[in-house]
Amino acid sequence: AQKITQTQPGMFVQEKEAVTLDCTYDTSDPSYGLFWYKQPSSGEMIFLIYQGSYDQQNATEGRYSLNFQKARKSANLVISASQLGDSAMYFCAMREVTGNQFYFGTGTSLTVIP
Amino acid sequence: GAVVSQHPSRVICKSGTSVKIECRSLDFQATTMFWYRQFPKQSLMLMATSNEGSKATYEQGVEKDKFLINHASLTLSTLTVTSAHPEDSSFYICSAREGADLNEKLFFGSGTQLSVL
Repeated sequence: AQKITQTQPGMFVQEKEAVTLDCTYDTSDPSYGLFWYKQPSSGEMIFLIYQGSYDQQNATEGRYSLNFQKARKSANLVISASQLGDSAMYFCAMREVTGNQFYFGTGTSLTVIP
Repeated sequence: GAVVSQHPSRVICKSGTSVKIECRSLDFQATTMFWYRQFPKQSLMLMATSNEGSKATYEQGVEKDKFLINHASLTLSTLTVTSAHPEDSSFYICSAREGADLNEKLFFGSGTQLSVL
């Protein structure tokens, strides 16, 4: 089974609107971390936000927030007030407490429309 | 913030030659470095995990004799693609982590686009 599932290969959003990128995960570990990365066309991977499985509150970093629903095993990324520079690939990732490896989803390509 | 430097950013080589890619953590000591391969519009595929001073751990299906990884110091890991062939053409990206805590994020290099003619 896939550890990380991103079901939206491509998304479009109007500039200044909010957008939600979906991510579900699969793990039996009691403790894990969830990460979101942005990959612009230049190829670099940029860290956006982190959510720990035991964190009581949803993580927020500026315009990025994580809608963490533990029972549903989902960790959706919400980008508010979209900007043209937000156009990029977005990857959800997970690391389990029992392992060293990061598991990445297949990514979502976000296009912000002016 | 932490910076990972990866060189070269782009390399074109002839089939049969070897190519070395360097990954350096500039302002932190990376106990673990990871090497990924990424095909266009696809996710990152983990190739190997590199720990300083020990042999790399390769993922299933990755040829260790073809993709040589050396992690000689806490700030440098290298990936050598030996006897490169056109099917090795891809985007290779390294990442590093300073500690082992669960919330330690990966810092990525800027990637290397390898084209084998």
